Amino acid sequence: DSGVTQTPKHLITATGQRVTLRCSPRSGDLSVYWYQQSLDQGLQFLIQYYNGEERAKGNILERFSAQQFPDLHSELNLSSLELGDSALYFCASSDPPRRYGYTFGSGTRLTVV
Amino acid sequence: AQSVTQLDSQVPVFEEAPVELRCNYSSSVSVYLFWYVQYPNQGLQLLLKYLSGSTLVESINGFEAEFNKSQTSFHLRKPSVHISDTAEYFCAVSDQNAGGTSYGKLTFGQGTILTVHP
Repeated sequence: DSGVTQTPKHLITATGQRVTLRCSPRSGDLSVYWYQQSLDQGLQFLIQYYNGEERAKGNILERFSAQQFPDLHSELNLSSLELGDSALYFCASSDPPRRYGYTFGSGTRLTVV
Repeated sequence: AQSVTQLDSQVPVFEEAPVELRCNYSSSVSVYLFWYVQYPNQGLQLLLKYLSGSTLVESINGFEAEFNKSQTSFHLRKPSVHISDTAEYFCAVSDQNAGGTSYGKLTFGQGTILTVHP
């Protein structure tokens, strides 16, 4: 157990639907990062939150949004789903720099049918 | 902008042979460097990291990597591999957000699939 919890582990949904992926960071970590892993794109950074505020944005589609709540857990919302959104979505958390680095959750495998 | 190039997409080796997985990065600022390992149908596990200090870093399972600033490289090595080392390995680079209160985004290479044959 890495300390970062992602739910659900698997999700199968139809095109056009909306889903929410949840991430609880390791205790004490203030930063949360979301990544998408697919065969053709590899590991792509989506978005980072630090203590509730958006810190950095990557290749995140407008159909996707995220937030970090006061208890530091984060949710990634994916809407108007397309077949190409099928991927493994990872959440990671980190402590302040020069200490432990990043810790990844086990991921949510999203299949859009 | 940062980028990472893993020079080999696949590396086949025999058990007990040495292995080197190559990683080059580009960045205009001071960086932090990481190697992650991903076993089939699993998440990313941190193998080792360079944050500061000694340029040679080691993991608990025999891997090591050396940060070479002049060559912008962070190659991963193991003197003798095991069947259980078969996995995909990712090199990654990051920096600090403005203000230094958090790490920035982690940029990954495309991955190297290490296959250890008996």
